[in-house]
Amino acid sequence: NAGVTQTPKFRILKIGQSMTLQCTQDMNHNYMYWYRQDPGMGLKLIYYSVGAGITDKGEVPNGYNVSRSTTEDFPLRLELAAPSQTSVYFCASRGDRGTISNQPQHFGDGTRLSIL
Amino acid sequence: LAKTTQPISMDSYEGQEVNITCSHNNIATNDYITWYQQFPSQGPRFIIQGYKTKVTNEVASLFIPADRKSSTLSLPRVSLSDTAVYYCLVVSSNTGKLIFGQGTTLQVKP
Repeated sequence: NAGVTQTPKFRILKIGQSMTLQCTQDMNHNYMYWYRQDPGMGLKLIYYSVGAGITDKGEVPNGYNVSRSTTEDFPLRLELAAPSQTSVYFCASRGDRGTISNQPQHFGDGTRLSIL
Repeated sequence: LAKTTQPISMDSYEGQEVNITCSHNNIATNDYITWYQQFPSQGPRFIIQGYKTKVTNEVASLFIPADRKSSTLSLPRVSLSDTAVYYCLVVSSNTGKLIFGQGTTLQVKP
């Protein structure tokens, strides 16, 4: 059981380039999340999804786009990379048994992105 | 979403019990309190979650008073491998969203 898998693990982009960070989970979870983590800080929510075809903004959505065409995949798109987007990006998923509150999130190991 | 406040850092020695207290004054009735652990270069890992009173699992205990405005994570007999950042979070009862603060950096010394 792989859990949450993120690719690539590392990437260097030039300013203005675009890329897609991939996230896939094999736990059949409806809820998926994208976070970014800057050095020494906690994670900040970028976008989240409560199921295929449904996405919504988090705290820091500007400069990013997401789509959710399948339950398994939740890619994050950077259209015009900027130095301020240099960060570690984490994807997470959670199940929806019982109440919404009491299912923990499962995180991937992150994508380290540098924009120069 | 309820914000949380916890100490920025704590030091301990191997074999000691560590208690990390978190305040969450604006917690809503149906929200849960959850704690995550994060090692360098890894994603956060779920430790424990609770609603009220006491919850215990194989790695930690969580104490929540009746007013639920604070909680305490207790790590028994810590080892060097428990050196990590610990996040206290309140989970939204509507969306399951997590709001991370800076967390508590726990340094365990030999």
